[in-house]
Amino acid sequence: EAGVAQSPRYKIIEKRQSVAFWCNPISGHATLYWYQQILGQGPKLLIQFQNNGVVDDSQLPKDRFSAERLKGVDSTLKIQPAKLEDSAVYLCASSLVLAPDTQYFGPGTRLTVL
Amino acid sequence: GQNIDQPTEMTATEGAIVQINCTYQTSGFNGLFWYQQHAGEAPTFLSYNVLDGLEEKGRFSSFLSRSKGYSYLLLKELQMKDSASYLCAVSRRNTNAGKSTFGDGTTLTVKP
Repeated sequence: EAGVAQSPRYKIIEKRQSVAFWCNPISGHATLYWYQQILGQGPKLLIQFQNNGVVDDSQLPKDRFSAERLKGVDSTLKIQPAKLEDSAVYLCASSLVLAPDTQYFGPGTRLTVL
Repeated sequence: GQNIDQPTEMTATEGAIVQINCTYQTSGFNGLFWYQQHAGEAPTFLSYNVLDGLEEKGRFSSFLSRSKGYSYLLLKELQMKDSASYLCAVSRRNTNAGKSTFGDGTTLTVKP
């Protein structure tokens, strides 16, 4: 079974630039999560989708971050404009609706903002 | 809100036993996860405790006391490959299913 796929794996940008990350969840997983993990900290949930609907985006900085999952499968997370403090690993995870607590994580995208 | 505490770093010797503690304060507690995260990699699921007691899975065991807001992860017969960060995460009732709050992780270093 293929795991959660993410791209790119690494990205370096300058502050005020824009960046987008892509995630393809495990086939059949209706629930998709985006997390931000700053070095030395645990992952922090940014947004949770179930199919193509947003379940929770209470911790998403909506002035600069946006995410979509138009067809209920792949998802993109965008930052515009980026700030220095956005440097982190962005993890995507997915789970089955009937087993939401068992999340499978992708390899992450390491973002460096200069 | 939620408060999850775990030690920042631990060191142990190959072949030994190590216990990583996690304490939490939260309303509407549902269950507690342990994840393993090697440097530069994604977290991988180790265990999920909902009821009090000890659950054993091979070399790894996880314990939960709901009344004390306390859990630990026990690693036996330590191997070098067990060097990683161990994340404790709490899920709550009456919130969006699947939403977990993570601690900052305990970095375990296993020495020969």
